Amino acid sequence: NAGVTQTPKFRILKIGQSMTLQCAQDMNHNYMYWYRQDPGMGLKLIYYSVGAGITDKGEVPNGYNVSRSTTEDFPLRLELAAPSQTSVYFCASSYREVNYGYTFGSGTRLTVV
Amino acid sequence: DQQVKQNSPSLSVQEGRISILNCDYTNSMFDYFLWYKKYPAEGPTFLISISSIKDKNEDGRFTVFLNKSAKHLSLHIVPSQPGDSAVYFCAASVGGYNKLIFGAGTRLAVHP
Repeated sequence: NAGVTQTPKFRILKIGQSMTLQCAQDMNHNYMYWYRQDPGMGLKLIYYSVGAGITDKGEVPNGYNVSRSTTEDFPLRLELAAPSQTSVYFCASSYREVNYGYTFGSGTRLTVV
Repeated sequence: DQQVKQNSPSLSVQEGRISILNCDYTNSMFDYFLWYKKYPAEGPTFLISISSIKDKNEDGRFTVFLNKSAKHLSLHIVPSQPGDSAVYFCAASVGGYNKLIFGAGTRLAVHP
């Protein structure tokens, strides 16, 4: 019963490099999300998906892309990494009913140097 | 423009006493409010939620109170235990698809 699995846990990127953060869930949740958390700040929504093939922008989408080809997987792509993208990234999934809350992954700590 | 604010960055409470964590919001269209708990190097864990049409919800040691006229909610933990030491985030839902807006968090320390 893995829940939400994120890989990698840590990564250092050089400015201008690209990478994909992986996220997979095994709870058959339709809704999935990517958030970033900067020091001393709350989590901010980057992108979300309400089902396979359906994605939309959140509050801070610039510099990122997503895809959702299956119910289970929701990768986040960083193109041309910048120091401003240094953050901790959390993937989450949920049922349609908001009162059950999200299940979060353990996070990816990304540093861009 | 912070729509969800947690004005206390930290709180220290003695074991066995009540912990009260506060959250203020500005958007009257929020339909659900949720609290999450986060330990270091882990993702947040869902604790409890409350609908905007309710004023109280309880789950074991955790109770959330909502005061809509003041746009204020609070999480009460009774009795507090050392294992409750964590960062607590308040979040609010609006606009469908369970998108959440989070506060900056309050670090709770429960000491013996």
